[in-house]
Amino acid sequence: AQSVTQLDSQVPVFEEAPVELRCNYSSSVSVYLFWYVQYPNQGLQLLLKYLSGSTLVESINGFEAEFNKSQTSFHLRKPSVHISDTAEYFCAVMETSGSRLTFGEGTQLTVNP
Amino acid sequence: KAGVTQTPRYLIKTRGQQVTLSCSPISGHRSVSWYQQTPGQGLQFLFEYFSETQRNKGNFPGRFSGRQFSNSRSEMNVSTLELGDSALYLCASSSGIRTGGVGTFGSGTRLTVV
Repeated sequence: AQSVTQLDSQVPVFEEAPVELRCNYSSSVSVYLFWYVQYPNQGLQLLLKYLSGSTLVESINGFEAEFNKSQTSFHLRKPSVHISDTAEYFCAVMETSGSRLTFGEGTQLTVNP
Repeated sequence: KAGVTQTPRYLIKTRGQQVTLSCSPISGHRSVSWYQQTPGQGLQFLFEYFSETQRNKGNFPGRFSGRQFSNSRSEMNVSTLELGDSALYLCASSSGIRTGGVGTFGSGTRLTVV
């Protein structure tokens, strides 16, 4: 079984400031790692994923995450946030042989002007 | 390419009733997964259907069931509704090939049980 812990339930930041949303996971088998974003009254949108290869993965809108196997972490970072980044962010894992996502509790990112 | 369509978007039901939610996947996708999202329990996996067969099941009571049709559209049914079933129900569709393809989520159906 897998579990995911998002270390901060809420992260308030000012516009143009850097942000890091922390995610740790636990699993006895190999997993894929994901970050999703959810805007109010909407479904989940895939932000980025780590399947294999380079441990640093990037999204098209400036977010990046680094897979750290020894620390079992997959923290999400952005060097400069915008008001439009305000949303809830979910970290998730999936067994490499499976299809079920296990999610963390979510982190509400609020970007203030 | 049309996205994942969930209907209805909003639903209000009374305790004890049953409800059926629908999910139309992206054309060509053969796998549909269902998740329940609540403030208390977060996002939890319900089940996955692939080519009309349930391939994976989460830890939910038997009141929660689903099925998939030959055109890959899926329905989930909840019988004898309880107040705690109030949630956002999300479905995701994918090709079903287990290589990290997590699929695309719909906008969800928000179920309120009163």
